[in-house]
Parts: sequence; C-alpha cells; structure tokens
Amino acid sequence: EVQLVESGGGLVQPGGSLRLSCAVSGFTFNTHWMHWVRQAPGKGLVWVSHIYSDGSRTSYADSVRGRFTISRDNAKNTLYLQMNSLRPEDTAVYYCVRDRTYGMGDWGQGTTVTVSS
Amino acid sequence: QSALTQPPSASGSPGQSVTISCTGTSSDVGGHNYVSWYQQHPGKAPKLMIYEVTKRPSGVPDRFSGSKSGNTASLTVSGLQAEDEADYHCSSYAGSNNWVFGGGTKLTVL
Repeated sequence: EVQLVESGGGLVQPGGSLRLSCAVSGFTFNTHWMHWVRQAPGKGLVWVSHIYSDGSRTSYADSVRGRFTISRDNAKNTLYLQMNSLRPEDTAVYYCVRDRTYGMGDWGQGTTVTVSS
Repeated sequence: QSALTQPPSASGSPGQSVTISCTGTSSDVGGHNYVSWYQQHPGKAPKLMIYEVTKRPSGVPDRFSGSKSGNTASLTVSGLQAEDEADYHCSSYAGSNNWVFGGGTKLTVL
C-alpha cells in the first residue's frame, strides 16, 4: 500500500522558517518524481514545487521561488520542503504528492502550516 | 503561472450526467496531453480520478471520463450518485517542469 505521511507543520511567525518532511512507503521512492502542493483555507489547490527522482533538478512556483527549497533523501525514503521567509499568505495545508505521468498521483494526508503573529 | 479556469459550481440530479470544464492556454492544457482531475471530499486529501486527459487509475468507476478540445479539458460524471458530491480540481502540465491547477468546482448532487 502506498503511504505518504507529512509532518513538520505548525504555527510560525512571519519571517520564520519551517521544514516539512514526507515519509513514504509502499513504492520505490527513488524512481518517482515528487511534488508539494498546498491549499489555503477554503481555496483551491496550488502547485508549489517538484523534484526529479534523483534530486538532480527542481522547480518552483513563482510565489515561493527563492524562499522554499525542495529536497529528498532517497536512502531514507523522505521528501522535504524547507520554507524560509514565511508570509501569512503561505498559510495552507501542504500535501506531499507522488507524480503520475506529469500529474499528481498519490497524496499524503497533509500538514497544516499557519503563518501568523 | 496563471490558474486554469473552472466554474465554481455544478450540479445534477442522481442518475444524470454533469460536465465540468477546465480552460487554460496553449501553454498548458492546449499544449500537452497531461491534464488530470482530482476529487476532494471535505476535510480529505484529493484523489486522482483522471490522468493524461482520458485515463482512469484502477478503482475509479468508469462513470468518470475525461476529454480535451483545444485549450479546454472536461470531466464528465455519468450516472450521478450521492457520493460524487465533492470538489473537483483540474491540473495541467505547463512545460519546463511547471504545473498549474484550476480553482476547483463544487459538485452538488441535488
């Protein structure tokens, strides 16, 4: 069974940092692209970032480029999202997602990030 | 990276069919056959229903179907059932390792 379990969310002040983690199981992690997708309260889904299976290439939405960094540890079957210079508009549920042919295949349950003073 | 355009709401009676549109540009929907659709019930994570415009993952009922014409993709739900009431989101590959989502459509089963 494919499982993706996010952790690391919480309440942080504007300008602060958080690192999200996503532990995966049930599939060969090092052969799959991965994404982070977020959803602000009551809003739609927004693609945040993507990483190749070997970590050699990454991409970001304009809204987070330069502030967020996606990475992965294939030995630990874990995906990460380092979030710096957080803003109130970054408040959202963050989902870890396994890519499926240039789409979002399997989703974790999400972790909530709240940016507020 | 402009969002795809979906109608905010759609509705139908049990047994009827309903179609939800997803309009983009030639850079995303029109330029790639990588449109996906997701179902999301309240408080739950999204679930992939359609990928590569028309393909269904195993376990998704064949009542769900996808299509594309030009810059607009569509999701059709046939034989509506009460459990189909949910939010539906589309996404498209937009080239250069970028992706874009629609704003979501709330489907109500009357």
